[in-house]
Amino acid sequence: EADIYQTPRYLVIGTGKKITLECSQTMGHDKMYWYQQDPGMELHLIHYSYGVNSTEKGDLSSESTVSRIRTEHFPLTLESARPSHTSQYLCASSGGDYYNEQFFGPGTRLTVL
Amino acid sequence: RKEVEQDPGPFNVPEGATVAFNCTYSNSASQSFFWYRQDCRKEPKLLMSVYSSGNEDGRFTAQLNRASQYISLLIRDSKLSDSATYLCVANGEDSSYKLIFGSGTRLLVRP
Repeated sequence: EADIYQTPRYLVIGTGKKITLECSQTMGHDKMYWYQQDPGMELHLIHYSYGVNSTEKGDLSSESTVSRIRTEHFPLTLESARPSHTSQYLCASSGGDYYNEQFFGPGTRLTVL
Repeated sequence: RKEVEQDPGPFNVPEGATVAFNCTYSNSASQSFFWYRQDCRKEPKLLMSVYSSGNEDGRFTAQLNRASQYISLLIRDSKLSDSATYLCVANGEDSSYKLIFGSGTRLLVRP
């Protein structure tokens, strides 16, 4: 079982609030990822990191930002939440050099009112 | 054209049936392939990696056909607990570390 954690698991918040979604992994993986997924829909990569101080935007444009100051920690921040940000946010990590299977956290289900 | 394409299903099969899913990928340079399972409102979980020689894990068998650029998953003796969405995955064109997830094939196993 992969050791990757996300908090909070559920968040209901009002429009305009600043939020940070936490993601931590204890596997020492250098690569970490954030995905966004709406119910019944496919995963979309919004951010990724290949190591400390490395962050890149993913394939789906997102107003969120990320940071990677420590290997084990990859938080995602929304400066001003809007109803359009309502979704599930999934964090993943991988550590392989060749077969880069990713392991997912349980996700944060965000609702912006 | 999507980079990884799957039949969305749903596949509705009785317990004990054998069911096969196929998916196609567009990047001929892809080297890493996986099948993930995702239960409703849960995170994706790695089911199995797909190797060039094909591989088997209990009731599950994965095959890779590089010439035709498709990946298959065979589930034998389906259980009720196999009901889930199965995601076909290949690494992306611009990076071996970025994975491209298919939209998923939904499987319903009925009693």
